[in-house]
Amino acid sequence: QQQVKQSPQSLIVQKGGIPIINCAYENTAFDYFPWYQQFPGKGPALLIAIRPDVSEKKEGRFTISFNKSAKQFSLHIMDSQPGDSATYFCAANAGGTSYGKLTFGQGTILTVHP
Amino acid sequence: GAGVSQSPRYKVAKRGQDVALRCDPISGHVSLFWYQQALGQGPEFLTYFQNEAQLDKSGLPSDRFFAERPEGSVSTLKIQRTQQEDSAVYLCASSPQGSNTQYFGPGTRLTVL
Repeated sequence: QQQVKQSPQSLIVQKGGIPIINCAYENTAFDYFPWYQQFPGKGPALLIAIRPDVSEKKEGRFTISFNKSAKQFSLHIMDSQPGDSATYFCAANAGGTSYGKLTFGQGTILTVHP
Repeated sequence: GAGVSQSPRYKVAKRGQDVALRCDPISGHVSLFWYQQALGQGPEFLTYFQNEAQLDKSGLPSDRFFAERPEGSVSTLKIQRTQQEDSAVYLCASSPQGSNTQYFGPGTRLTVL
């Protein structure tokens, strides 16, 4: 059962555009929502993370928007650059007895054209 | 400081062979996770260690999969009698005590012929 659904599967934008990637979850016990960036041949690297007590978090050009009632969260990349071309994964963790086990979305392949 | 390292980076096995994949976590990290990433998919949880104790192995797909971390540092994921469906990238991640942040290694790409 897919507990975190991510869309779109792929996304193409021009340099300077603002790609938006969306995720939805079912498990209301989730309380930590990170986004990871993965380049080919590399492991995922943490970009930014949010907890459900805030509706938005910004770090540099990356912003997470969180809607607890809708059980949805999204990643916005401001002023996107060709170097941002990578696969992005949302994830969620329930904390407590789940020991930080992450449940990942299916991933979004982002291409930023120069 | 060094990040999480994994070896080998690539492994080709014939169906039925046993394989062992190694993970060296960041020094001092208490938590260690193994994930399996199929082509074009997100990582899926396999197992979790806190120090040397394996606290969750609910994601291991079958009894052919076995993981250990005997001294609370290096971990080994062993797959016995490999099958073609075991072909995937196996990722290791570690995390310091009290933190949600998981630091991933580069993964081992396993191909079973």
